[in-house]
Amino acid sequence: GESVGLHLPTLSVQEGDNSIINCAYSNSASDYFIWYKQESGKGPQFIIDIRSNMDKRQGQRVTVLLNKTVKHLSLQIAATQPGDSAVYFCAENMRGGGNKLTFGTGTQLKVEL
Amino acid sequence: DAGVIQSPRHEVTEMGQEVTLRCKPISGHNSLFWYRQTMMRGLELLIYFNNNVPIDDSGMPEDRFSAKMPNASFSTLKIQPSEPRDSAVYFCASSFQIAGELFFGEGSRLTVL
Repeated sequence: GESVGLHLPTLSVQEGDNSIINCAYSNSASDYFIWYKQESGKGPQFIIDIRSNMDKRQGQRVTVLLNKTVKHLSLQIAATQPGDSAVYFCAENMRGGGNKLTFGTGTQLKVEL
Repeated sequence: DAGVIQSPRHEVTEMGQEVTLRCKPISGHNSLFWYRQTMMRGLELLIYFNNNVPIDDSGMPEDRFSAKMPNASFSTLKIQPSEPRDSAVYFCASSFQIAGELFFGEGSRLTVL
């Protein structure tokens, strides 16, 4: 029979609006988090990172918020553009885990004109 | 600047055949990673190397999979014999520092018939 794939959560936003993509991470020992963007047919691309000693970090049009109490990470994209349409992954690295990043399942962001 | 270079970009083969995927990391990076991406399981870490030495291969599915890094500028992921369930996109990534930003290649899309 046909295999069932992962059901990616989808976020649809209007061009120019702000986007918020959420991620729940699993390991309380994780101390480093990264957001990646993957466009169709391409490899994941680094967007922004944050270490566990911070709760907020800003980049160009993007902000990452970290809430360690509830193990929650969010990515905010300001003034969303059509070029932001992609799948967004959060990834975590466990303290003492070497360079081993564990990726979440991803969220599909669709920007409507 | 050249990024991570993977070859082949696409490969179609028959069950039982040997498959070799190749990766050239970014010059100066000392960590190299092989990931597999499928709809069913998302992005999975197969193995990673630090300074050409395999550090963690716990993600390698089974003995049919093997990876080598004979020098700092080249790595291979081999599947022998290949099976239809190995069909996926295989990504190579490299980084400069422990738990640092990963730079992904464009991926090798493998189809095993």
